[in-house]
Amino acid sequence: DGGITQSPKYLFRKEGQNVTLSCEQNLNHDAMYWYRQDPGQGLRLIYYSQIVNDFQKGDIAEGYSVSREKKESFPLTVTSAQKNPTAFYLCASTKSRTGGANTYGYTFGSGTRLTVV
Amino acid sequence: GDSVTQMEGPVTLSEEAFLTINCTYTATGYPSLFWYVQYPGEGLQLLLKATKADDKGSNKGFEATYRKETTSFHLEKGSVQVSDSAVYFCALKGAGGATNKLIFGTGTLLAVQP
Repeated sequence: DGGITQSPKYLFRKEGQNVTLSCEQNLNHDAMYWYRQDPGQGLRLIYYSQIVNDFQKGDIAEGYSVSREKKESFPLTVTSAQKNPTAFYLCASTKSRTGGANTYGYTFGSGTRLTVV
Repeated sequence: GDSVTQMEGPVTLSEEAFLTINCTYTATGYPSLFWYVQYPGEGLQLLLKATKADDKGSNKGFEATYRKETTSFHLEKGSVQVSDSAVYFCALKGAGGATNKLIFGTGTLLAVQP
C-alpha cells in the first residue's frame, strides 16, 4: 500500500548539531509539506514544495532547511540556528499542486519526535 | 488572513454521549473545510470534508455541515465510543490561490470514558 514514511520515529539532538528528518512517499503526489506540532499550538507550516527542485517557506521557516531533488523525497534539516527544536514533526503530501487538497485531502506520515538533549 | 478557531479542550464524555466540537473560520470567498483526527503518537488522518456551502461531510458516524452564514463547521457524533478518543483538528483551504496550503486550528482533545 502507498503512503508516507517518516524516519526516525524518535530523534535526539545535541546542542549545536544539525539533524535531518526523512520523509518519503510512494503515492506519486506532487506537493509535500512539513509541519511542526507543539502542545496547545496546533500545526504550523515550516516549508512546502509543489514540484521537484522548488520549495517555499512557510510560517516558521527560520532555523530549518529542505530540499526536493526527487518527487518522492522531502527531507527536513533542523539546523543549530533553530533555538527551540523540541517538537513533533509531521510530513504530509497531496496529489496535485492546486486542487488536490480539496478532492483528496492531505496524507500524513506518522511523525518524528525530536528532543534536544 | 485566513484562520480557524476551535473550542478548547479537553472534552471529556462518557461512552454513548453526544459530541459537538465547535469550529469557526475567517476567510474570504468560499474556502474548503476539513476535519482531521490524530490518535496518540500518530500523524493526522482526514476524517471528513466539505467544499461548498451547505455541504455535509460525514464519515464513521461523524458529521459536519458547512455553514456560510455563521462561518462554522462544527463536528458532531450522536454516540461516542472509547475508541474515538483522539485530538480533532479543523482546517481550511482558502478559495482560489495557487497552492494547497491548509490552515489548521489548535486541535481539541476528546477523551471518552467507559
